[in-house]
Amino acid sequence: DVKVTQSSRYLVKRTGEKVFLECVQDMDHENMFWYRQDPGLGLRLIYFSYDVKMKEKGDIPEGYSVSREKKERFSLILESASTNQTSMYLCASTSGQVYNEQFFGPGTRLTVL
Amino acid sequence: AQSVTQPDIHITVSEGASLELRCNYSYGATPYLFWYVQSPGQGLQLLLKYFSGDTLVQGIKGFEAEFKRSQSSFNLRKPSVHWSDAAEYFCAVGDGSNYQLIWGAGTKLIIKP
Repeated sequence: DVKVTQSSRYLVKRTGEKVFLECVQDMDHENMFWYRQDPGLGLRLIYFSYDVKMKEKGDIPEGYSVSREKKERFSLILESASTNQTSMYLCASTSGQVYNEQFFGPGTRLTVL
Repeated sequence: AQSVTQPDIHITVSEGASLELRCNYSYGATPYLFWYVQSPGQGLQLLLKYFSGDTLVQGIKGFEAEFKRSQSSFNLRKPSVHWSDAAEYFCAVGDGSNYQLIWGAGTKLIIKP
């Protein structure tokens, strides 16, 4: 059974803290994504990676960074969390053709106080 | 720029009734089109996709969608909904040049008993 796991389902952090969100996939996929999901806005792409140590900015990269040291793991980092980063964060992975399915993790609901 | 519009934020349907969720896109060439479903507390799951060929696409869980180029639409249908279909549904479009998708804002489906 294919699986994308995220390190936490719920996370509460304080303004200014450094936050790490981790995502692991067991499908040997080359491509991994971090999205932010907000009501009424759908999914917005923060960063994606098409290979180890490679990363590309998405639509809303400001305030975020990523790390991909191993193929199966893609981390999202909030260098200094702010209240406007309170959101649902979704990780996804895909392989092969551009029309292939993206497989999603269950999401991390982050609250920044 | 590409865009995806899901005009209905919420839709309420009685159990056993038919369903149609609307999706309109803005893109010059033939897009890659997707419908995903997000059940409460879950990540997104692919329902169906279109990238070429027959414009009527069958998906999982009894869903289908029809690509209409003249109307720039890719509406999702189901002849008879079940209470388990209550979820949020997202339409997404890609241009085939990379793995990035543009997402609609989502439609929340509520099932009346």
